[in-house]
Amino acid sequence: GAVVSQHPSRVICKSGTSVKIECRSLDFQATTMFWYRQFPKQSLMLMATSNEGSKATYEQGVEKDKFLINHASLTLSTLTVTSAHPEDSSFYICSALLDRGETQYFGPGTRLLVL
Amino acid sequence: EDKVVQSPLSLVVHEGDTVTLNCSYEVTNFRSLLWYKQEKKAPTFLFMLTSSGIEKKSGRLSSILDKKELFSILNITATQTGDSAVYLCAVEPYSGGGADGLTFGKGTHLIIQP
Repeated sequence: GAVVSQHPSRVICKSGTSVKIECRSLDFQATTMFWYRQFPKQSLMLMATSNEGSKATYEQGVEKDKFLINHASLTLSTLTVTSAHPEDSSFYICSALLDRGETQYFGPGTRLLVL
Repeated sequence: EDKVVQSPLSLVVHEGDTVTLNCSYEVTNFRSLLWYKQEKKAPTFLFMLTSSGIEKKSGRLSSILDKKELFSILNITATQTGDSAVYLCAVEPYSGGGADGLTFGKGTHLIIQP
């Protein structure tokens, strides 16, 4: 199956700093990528849809100025958590869509801990 | 708002037992229902269901969808300790245009005891 990578896999940062998470489709081009967040013992919640070459579409309740998404190429989307706070500590997972009719391929996730 | 409800939320059985996990959903424009297995990290894909009444099988796992009653079940026969995981059900809406993200249920935490 298709492979999606995320970097870093784990990050610890101080409150107020910004953190960038990369999501790459390694062996296919993904016009659409998705960003999810998962709090402990809860389900994945869709944060935003990232389309190559256009602005991301954010779900209700997700602050676009805080969670900056850039989908600069067909194989890379980045999520930047700006001015991170402890409540932003979570597991962030991206997924990539190969084509319509295909399932989403998930990255391994990034665990963010904000101190 | 799309909604996915899974039951039970947790389940403990003995190795060799058969389990049935339930997923009911509400979605404005249904495209597909998906089952994932989540262990320590990101979910891994199990099944995608789009048509009612057609069972999908993969080894000891099988799943079926009922679009009239808006639910799906995931069956695991002859369970093994390696089946212990959180099983997530998700629905994908049909937007008619670009792709849409998934709405996930809270998952069923399955524990298989030796």
